[in-house]
Amino acid sequence: QVQLRESGPGLVKPSETLSLTCAVSGDSVSSFFWSWIRQSPEKGLEWIGYISNTGSRNYNPSLWGRVTMSLDTSKNQFSLDLASVTSADTAVYFCTRGKATPYTWGQGSRVTVSS
Amino acid sequence: DIRMTQSPSSLSASIGDTITITCQASQNIGSSVNWFQQIPGKAPKLLLYGASTLETGVPSRFSGRVSGTTFTFTITNLQPEDFATYYCQQYDNLPPTFGGGTKVQI
Repeated sequence: QVQLRESGPGLVKPSETLSLTCAVSGDSVSSFFWSWIRQSPEKGLEWIGYISNTGSRNYNPSLWGRVTMSLDTSKNQFSLDLASVTSADTAVYFCTRGKATPYTWGQGSRVTVSS
Repeated sequence: DIRMTQSPSSLSASIGDTITITCQASQNIGSSVNWFQQIPGKAPKLLLYGASTLETGVPSRFSGRVSGTTFTFTITNLQPEDFATYYCQQYDNLPPTFGGGTKVQI
């Protein structure tokens, strides 16, 4: 059974970079596509982007230029960096297994952007 | 981006009822729609993909259909564990986009 678990700071200051990591168990990050989705009361569910097992990436154009995703096969995890955050980036961030269909979700990591 | 207009935003129902939720896509997306269930404090859970195919382990009281650009999600014989928020999602075009959600309450 595939399990995902997000980790990272719960509080980030405006203009700084939000960094989250997703640890994968029950599968290998070298085997499929891995995505990030966030959820806020204001914007609802928003797809951030994916990274594939071969390292190809696709990001939501609404976040273009601020998002970077990476894979760490040695630790079987993948990561999200979101630069220049504002209060609009306050949300629960989910890591998921899948490209456009999120088949399996992590439990979510609540991130607040505030000084 | 493709817009998914979901209705209603909330509804009240009773145990044993049949409920229907609709998502209207802003353009033709074939059958490329997923449906998710979210319980408060939890991550969404995939129930149906391809508009009408049940994910493994999902009870058959959940169903979906498509007619043109209108997607319908139905729960028959509503059970206590079904009171949750439901979302549609299109995956025909990147970026995938979600409907605004329907909260099903007692």
